[in-house]
Amino acid sequence: KAGVTQTPRYLIKTRGQQVTLSCSPISGHRSVSWYQQTPGQGLQFLFEYFSETQRNKGNFPGRFSGRQFSNSRSEMNVSTLELGDSALYLCASSPGTDSGNTIYFGEGSWLTVV
Amino acid sequence: AQSVTQPDIHITVSEGASLELRCNYSYGATPYLFWYVQSPGQGLQLLLKYFSGDTLVQGIKGFEAEFKRSQSSFNLRKPSVHWSDAAEYFCAVGAGDYKLSFGAGTTVTVRA
Repeated sequence: KAGVTQTPRYLIKTRGQQVTLSCSPISGHRSVSWYQQTPGQGLQFLFEYFSETQRNKGNFPGRFSGRQFSNSRSEMNVSTLELGDSALYLCASSPGTDSGNTIYFGEGSWLTVV
Repeated sequence: AQSVTQPDIHITVSEGASLELRCNYSYGATPYLFWYVQSPGQGLQLLLKYFSGDTLVQGIKGFEAEFKRSQSSFNLRKPSVHWSDAAEYFCAVGAGDYKLSFGAGTTVTVRA
């Protein structure tokens, strides 16, 4: 069974641009969540989607948004990039139908903003 | 809101020696607890999880963890460390809502 797949793995953007990151969950998983990892703030929850609906949201500005498609694939978008958005963005998936389900992470997308 | 504290930022251990990583959580109800490992430049790999039941849980790569409600702890242990265990380890707590709160992580260095 393939794991959580994220694309692209590495990207460099300029301040003010926008970026879209993609995530394909484990087959059969309907919950997809996103996390930001930085040296200063550690791992922080961005949002979680289930059946194309956002169920949970972390404390990030509106520049960070996401969506989920009917096949459970998800994208996150960051608009008006700032230097501080440079981070590893991790996608995670879970079956999502019972509380406490195990959450599996992908390899992440490394975003550098210059 | 839940939170996690990993008191040790960095631990150095000799190959073959035992390892224990500490994790303390703050959460009012029964927590869902996880340990993940991250090698440099990689994502997070799940080592083990605790949802309910037996408080001693076994994971992959020879790791185990014990849930102690009275101490709000979920410490990770390995009896004999291999050089390949050098990595960063994260403890996480959830409330069953697919939103995890992570500790700051513990970096493990293994010396020959």
